[in-house]
Amino acid sequence: RKEVEQDPGPFNVPEGATVAFNCTYSNSASQSFFWYRQDCRKEPKLLMSVYSSGNEDGRFTAQLNRASQYISLLIRDSKLSDSATYLCVVTSGGSYIPTFGRGTSLIVHP
Amino acid sequence: EPEVTQTPSHQVTQMGQEVILRCVPISNHLYFYWYRQILGQKVEFLVSFYNNEISEKSEIFDDQFSVERPDGSNFTLKIRSTKLEDSAMYFCASSEDSSYNEKLFFGSGTQLSVL
Repeated sequence: RKEVEQDPGPFNVPEGATVAFNCTYSNSASQSFFWYRQDCRKEPKLLMSVYSSGNEDGRFTAQLNRASQYISLLIRDSKLSDSATYLCVVTSGGSYIPTFGRGTSLIVHP
Repeated sequence: EPEVTQTPSHQVTQMGQEVILRCVPISNHLYFYWYRQILGQKVEFLVSFYNNEISEKSEIFDDQFSVERPDGSNFTLKIRSTKLEDSAMYFCASSEDSSYNEKLFFGSGTQLSVL
């Protein structure tokens, strides 16, 4: 079983739409959770950390469900510039090394 | 804003040759990492480095790979005898600390092509 799993997509949505991605992780001892954004052939960049109580940053909302071992990212009012791959990243108990999911591709069209 | 810098941006080499990929982490960061991403695949951890020694490494990081911090600013990844399957984007990253909540800052990567 893969450590961090994501639906690769692509999710193809019109501008202004709301879109949500899920990510599941296998290690119940996982400690930290993040969403990174990666543009085509560029480096990953931190989008937001994911806290147990859920957190919001502008149009982006992240949530954690420890019981079901998944995290989610909700993007409201999608912009063309949101088109990218969204990487789920988990740091598991016993290791400080962030493990990346394969990413979910988002395409926002006019 | 401070950033991680990597050189070269592209490296083409023949199979069996040695390559050295270079990185300058953010100056006050203490933990350094190498990740790689084969085209179309996920970002994979190779090695982490702290206090002038390897702290963790993955099964990918075999005897063909080595890392070094030759001076106070550079952090290098050496591949001793490149294989075709080493072709990938190699990302260097650094973090201020090593804790579960620590965020990684990535360089823009070196695209390695092994012919």
